[in-house]
Amino acid sequence: GDSVTQMEGPVTLSEEAFLTINCTYTATGYPSLFWYVQYPGEGLQLLLKATKADDKGSNKGFEATYRKETTSFHLEKGSVQVSDSAVYFCALFGEDKIIFGKGTRLHILP
Amino acid sequence: ETGVTQTPRHLVMGMTNKKSLKCEQHLGHNAMYWYKQSAKKPLELMFVYNFKEQTENNSVPSRFSPECPNSSHLFLHLHTLQPEDSALYLCASSRGHRVSSGANVLTFGAGSRLTVL
Repeated sequence: GDSVTQMEGPVTLSEEAFLTINCTYTATGYPSLFWYVQYPGEGLQLLLKATKADDKGSNKGFEATYRKETTSFHLEKGSVQVSDSAVYFCALFGEDKIIFGKGTRLHILP
Repeated sequence: ETGVTQTPRHLVMGMTNKKSLKCEQHLGHNAMYWYKQSAKKPLELMFVYNFKEQTENNSVPSRFSPECPNSSHLFLHLHTLQPEDSALYLCASSRGHRVSSGANVLTFGAGSRLTVL
């Protein structure tokens, strides 16, 4: 069946460091891929999305590219800020299933 | 105003109480969802409604009873809960459920934090 695997956290970085959070998936068909972010005390918010192979989603300095050949959708940001501290979820929308990864907690130190 | 509104934001109840969580969406979506988020566990899908009809019930105990009177409102009725039911309950909506499309994005509410004593 469809699945999403993302790197275990927590991830701790200093401010202005480069961020990568890995996400790989298995799916039949051609799913859409998403990253959601959850700030403390809040629900999940859509961060970015990509609907087909080689699409790049971007928002707030974050980017992720839909790589069909490696079945990956890694999240990257060139220079993180303290305000980026949150939990990040990779998600897959297939034909009849919405699958979330377990989430990766990110701590950014000033 | 967010697109999906959940009330109450916080709820404390005893094991013998009956309470309800409410979710309202103002996005014109046709599908609504209840998720459970517990500490150190993956997000758990509980129920899905599409055009007011329940399309998924992921083996949720009967002490949780959903109700969807129309496409804009979703309730979760709670009865004789257990302490392990303490969690953040998230409501979400989307344009449709069985659609593989980048347009079919899930929009979440802020959640209702439930504590069962």
